[in-house]
Amino acid sequence: DTGVSQDPRHKITKRGQNVTFRCDPISEHNRLYWYRQTLGQGPEFLTYFQNEAQLEKSRLLSDRFSAERPKGSFSTLEIQRTEQGDSAMYLCASSLKMDYGYTFGSGTRLTVV
Amino acid sequence: AQTVTQSQPEMSVQEAETVTLSCTYDTSESDYYLFWYKQPPSRQMILVIRQEAYKQQNATENRFSVNFQKAAKSFSLKISDSQLGDAAMYFCAYRRDSNYQLIWGAGTKLIIKP
Repeated sequence: DTGVSQDPRHKITKRGQNVTFRCDPISEHNRLYWYRQTLGQGPEFLTYFQNEAQLEKSRLLSDRFSAERPKGSFSTLEIQRTEQGDSAMYLCASSLKMDYGYTFGSGTRLTVV
Repeated sequence: AQTVTQSQPEMSVQEAETVTLSCTYDTSESDYYLFWYKQPPSRQMILVIRQEAYKQQNATENRFSVNFQKAAKSFSLKISDSQLGDAAMYFCAYRRDSNYQLIWGAGTKLIIKP
């Protein structure tokens, strides 16, 4: 296993379009997290899965955002009707236990034009 | 609400020398975890070191060590024998014991001068 994989690495989309990102965590990790990072800032929490259950969603995750983790394996993050303010790096991370640090993927950089 | 503050937007150090990055946090909790992550340019976030608040002993990982001052709510990172590969953004992060959400500082850009 080579770590957490995210696809695509870069996405440029026009305002109003829908986009979907994928995250493949480390196979034995049952916890999966999505964060958003804007330029010059630390990441901001978006949502958390334990196995297939989405246990927490940030208020940052508006109705246009939805995340899934079917069967407790890979996860998808969809943004509908994208806005320029959605431009950011979307980071996925996974962990086996809460008291360990996360393993992050390389992120998906979204640019909304 | 918990907050994490990194007061140094940028630090520079000569190769082979020692540098300390500062981090303070605000919490009313007694049990929590603190982390330092490294994010090289265009590369993924990597865990550098972690500290459990209930442990008095400062964590150490090779050239990286922390100075954890619980009463002062301070968590600084010391990098000894700085190497060119240490150049990156360094983020301090906090997590409550009963929570999975990391709260992050704004980061410190570390520049290594050859």
